[in-house]
Amino acid sequence: SQTIHQWPATLVQPVGSPLSLECTVEGTSNPNLYWYRQAAGRGLQLLFYSVGIGQISSEVPQNLSASRPQDRQFILSSKKLLLSDSGFYLCACPTPAGVRSPLHFGNGTRLTVT
Amino acid sequence: DQQVKQNSPSLSVQEGRISILNCDYTNSMFDYFLWYKKYPAEGPTFLISISSIKDKNEDGRFTVFLNKSAKHLSLHIVPSQPGDSAVYFCAAPNTGNQFYFGTGTSLTVIP
Repeated sequence: SQTIHQWPATLVQPVGSPLSLECTVEGTSNPNLYWYRQAAGRGLQLLFYSVGIGQISSEVPQNLSASRPQDRQFILSSKKLLLSDSGFYLCACPTPAGVRSPLHFGNGTRLTVT
Repeated sequence: DQQVKQNSPSLSVQEGRISILNCDYTNSMFDYFLWYKKYPAEGPTFLISISSIKDKNEDGRFTVFLNKSAKHLSLHIVPSQPGDSAVYFCAAPNTGNQFYFGTGTSLTVIP
């Protein structure tokens, strides 16, 4: 089974600072990869979806961007953080890789923008 | 537009009793539904799923019911245990395999 690594686990950043969150996946190849955010009092919001290297779909307009430089690496970035970017960020991929497979999530990054 | 909805943000149940968590969806093209359980500061973990060709799927203490005509599904936990206290999300993928989640229901099982 695959393993999803996310780091850092927690992060406190000032408004206006840049952001880079990294997700790497082991135990699978060419997976679909997802970035989700859970904001306070809200559900899991799909932010970005990637079916392969360099292929990114954005679900909502926002202050964030994503990149997939390698098959099993997915990066979430921002040039200037906003207070509203605070939340719990989760990386996910299907397990096992397939059309109708549950998503498996990493342990997430708690981002607090101050 | 929220395609998967959970209208009850919280639920409290006595240990040993049944917990029923509800979920509604708007997209009639959804054909596969999942329930996830989430503890604080952790990623969600998959609990149980159901295909639209079924109306019930059971796994131990957990049963999911699907009512396609009402676009409604529910998760039953019997008997409820204190360790079941968590946030529960329902989810569904679209044809592009993008998974949409509800807003979650926080379940508290009282010992």
